[in-house]
Formats: sequence, C-alpha cells, structure tokens
Amino acid sequence: SQQGEEDPQALSIQEGENATMNCSYKTSINNLQWYRQNSGRGLVHLILIRSNEREKHSGRLRVTLDTSKKSSSLLITASRAADTASYFCATAAAFESGGYQKVTFGTGTKLQVIP
Amino acid sequence: SQTIHQWPATLVQPVGSPLSLECTVEGTSNPNLYWYRQAAGRGLQLLFYSIGIDQISSEVPQNLSASRPQDRQFILSSKKLLLSDSGFYLCAWSRGGSGANVLTFGAGSRLTVL
Repeated sequence: SQQGEEDPQALSIQEGENATMNCSYKTSINNLQWYRQNSGRGLVHLILIRSNEREKHSGRLRVTLDTSKKSSSLLITASRAADTASYFCATAAAFESGGYQKVTFGTGTKLQVIP
Repeated sequence: SQTIHQWPATLVQPVGSPLSLECTVEGTSNPNLYWYRQAAGRGLQLLFYSIGIDQISSEVPQNLSASRPQDRQFILSSKKLLLSDSGFYLCAWSRGGSGANVLTFGAGSRLTVL
C-alpha cells in the first residue's frame, strides 16, 4: 500500500525558480527519504532525514520534516532544466516481522523545469 | 563499489506465458533485496523483500513469486502472466541490518503483457 502522498502531482516552473514538493505519510517512521526518477529509469537516492531531525540540506536541496503533522517538503533552489524528473518521498519503518526497515514510496511529483 | 544489474530491460510476453526477471548485486554481502512494481504514472508498490537466503516476504497477494537462490541474486517469477502484470519492475538493494536502509535501484525491466 502507498504510505506517502506527494503534492502537487505535477509542477512546471521556469529555470532559476525554486521548486517545492510536499509529502504526507500515515504511520510512524524511522526516516524519510527523497528519490529522483528520470523517465523510464531506476530511482536515485537524493537525501535522507531521520525522524529526530527537522531540516537537512544537500547542495541545492533542502528537506524539512514535521513528524507531528506527518509531512515533509523538498525544496530545490535555483532549478535547472536537468532537474526535470519525478520526485518521490519514501518512508522507512520497521518490517512487520521486526528488525529491518521497509521502505514505502509515495505517488510522486512530476517536475518540469522549462529552460 | 557496489553495483546492481537487472535484466531483461524490456519484455513483451503473451498472457499465460511464464516470467523470469533477474537481479544481481555485486560488491556487498548479505544485502536486503527488494522487488517493486511501478504502474504507468504511479508510485512504487513493494512486491517482495528479502533479508537473507530463504527469507522472502510478500507484501501483496498476486500472481508473482520471488526467489533468492544466492546471497546476491533475486528473481521475480510468474507461471502464467496476466494483463494486469504489465508494468515497470524495479529491483533494489540496501545494506543488511537495521540501518538507515537507503535503496539503490537497478535500471528497471519494462514488462508488457499482451
């Protein structure tokens, strides 16, 4: 079952603008991750934020996490045409069998950056 | 460094035919292995995960099965494909244990069932 829901489903911006994508989830998590997928390709991990963290930066990426609202946001600053891709949030929680973490993905935001 | 290989990249199969998708990981031992399916324009649905040989769990009831004949090999199979099995199948691995579980994905296998 889907754990996360991204918002918006699609986003189109001009190069140089900032892009913000949001993710909401339902259950307790150990960490939340963001991944990127170019069309027809596998996903690539971008950034991970642990449940006890509120904000994290990596280059032009900024991720926030609000566990009380069960939500996260991904901000891409100064977007480039090469940022065009789908972005997915993923939550990691313990497997029902215990111990190891299960990673469940949201439905994704399709970002188009217009040159 | 670790690499993950997944094949075939594309597959067109008739309804009722068998399926075998293969995934291997190099450069690590005892990885967690995963099979996901992505329907067109949708998110990823976790199908199977494995934390070791002979330790495979299914997330959803379906027409598919998974096997792990070797530590770094994960196979997705079906005896008789259905139209609804069409989709983009992704294999992934993460480090074993109860760590942060960052996934590394293969390039995907696009299956079309006609």
